[in-house]
Amino acid sequence: SQQGEEDPQALSIQEGENATMNCSYKTSINNLQWYRQNSGRGLVHLILIRSNEREKHSGRLRVTLDTSKKSSSLLITASRAADTASYFCATDAGRHTGANSKLTFGKGITLSVRP
Amino acid sequence: KAGVTQTPRYLIKTRGQQVTLSCSPISGHRSVSWYQQTPGQGLQFLFEYFSETQRNKGNFPGRFSGRQFSNSRSEMNVSTLELGDSALYLCASSSGLAGSPSYEQYFGPGTRLTVT
Repeated sequence: SQQGEEDPQALSIQEGENATMNCSYKTSINNLQWYRQNSGRGLVHLILIRSNEREKHSGRLRVTLDTSKKSSSLLITASRAADTASYFCATDAGRHTGANSKLTFGKGITLSVRP
Repeated sequence: KAGVTQTPRYLIKTRGQQVTLSCSPISGHRSVSWYQQTPGQGLQFLFEYFSETQRNKGNFPGRFSGRQFSNSRSEMNVSTLELGDSALYLCASSSGLAGSPSYEQYFGPGTRLTVT
């Protein structure tokens, strides 16, 4: 079953604009991660935000987490054509007794950045 | 460091056959997880191996199995293939240290399996 639900499902913007993608989840989590996937290839890790964090930045990426609303958003600023990809949020809701590798992914958002 | 490698990259099999996919994690990583990606179901967790032991398991039938070797390389096997097993199979490696805080996983390029 899907834990994360991203929205919108598809987003098309002009190069230079900002892209905002949202993710909602259902259960308590240890952390939430965002990944990028280019055209059926492997996933590239973008950023991880822990449950006790509210905001995190990495380059042109900004992630927020609202655990009370069980939601997260990924903002890509000054988008480029190379940002065209599918974006997934993934939640880690495992036990604290050991390292937790079971990520539950949303269905993804397809971002198209027009040059 | 070399990234996660998966072999083969593409595979075509017939219904009823069995298949073995291989994953070599990043050097020093002891945890390997497998995921299935299909257009209909998205990315779904299959299982995770750590130090040659299965530590986590998803909701897949027993036809899906895996193992991990002492060098952390992992294989997954699917027996009696069905058309619905056509998918991109991704493996991910991480340090997997018990008691560590949550960590990120590094994914390989995937194996595209087509069952005809």
